Amino acid sequence: ETGVTQSPTHLIKTRGQQVTLRCSSQSGHNTVSWYQQALGQGPQFIFQYYREEENGRGNFPPRFSGLQFPNYSSELNVNALELDDSALYLCASSLVGGTNTGELFFGEGSRLTVL
Amino acid sequence: GESVGLHLPTLSVQEGDNSIINCAYSNSASDYFIWYKQESGKGPQFIIDIRSNMDKRQGQRVTVLLNKTVKHLSLQIAATQPGDSAVYFCAEIVSGGYNKLIFGAGTRLAVHP
Repeated sequence: ETGVTQSPTHLIKTRGQQVTLRCSSQSGHNTVSWYQQALGQGPQFIFQYYREEENGRGNFPPRFSGLQFPNYSSELNVNALELDDSALYLCASSLVGGTNTGELFFGEGSRLTVL
Repeated sequence: GESVGLHLPTLSVQEGDNSIINCAYSNSASDYFIWYKQESGKGPQFIIDIRSNMDKRQGQRVTVLLNKTVKHLSLQIAATQPGDSAVYFCAEIVSGGYNKLIFGAGTRLAVHP
């Protein structure tokens, strides 16, 4: 157990809909990253939040957005869902700052299916 | 561009044998590498890491080797057990103000009794 919890674990949406995924970071961690993992592939970096602000983004369109709250939990929002958005969405928390390497602890993921 | 790839998509070994999973990376500026294990239906689990100023690092039953000359990373698992069956990813950290992991496609390790 990593202490990172994600919800929901599974969900099904249709094209054009919007989805919100949630993540509670490990206690004491101040940074949350989101990754998209398509079936049979490695995770792809979406973005990272630190101190409630996005401080890094991968190659994903603006319809992928996020939030981080004062308690360091986070949301991933995806608008105008497309079939290719079907994937496992992983949240990872870490502690950034000082000499810490920023080791990431992943949650179990939210499996999104877009029909 | 930056990329992390793996030489073998699937590796089958007998229980008790040693396993070696290989990985190639292309970004010579990366200074931190991590191996993750991902079991079916679960998120990636940290196994071991290594910094670019090291050649070798050992953990419990696992060893990571880094060859910066040829940009090659390997994970050695000693006395492989059925519980080691999973997909293994190498990942590199791209420095630049935040920890962004670049993952390869993964190698599936199948351990047979």
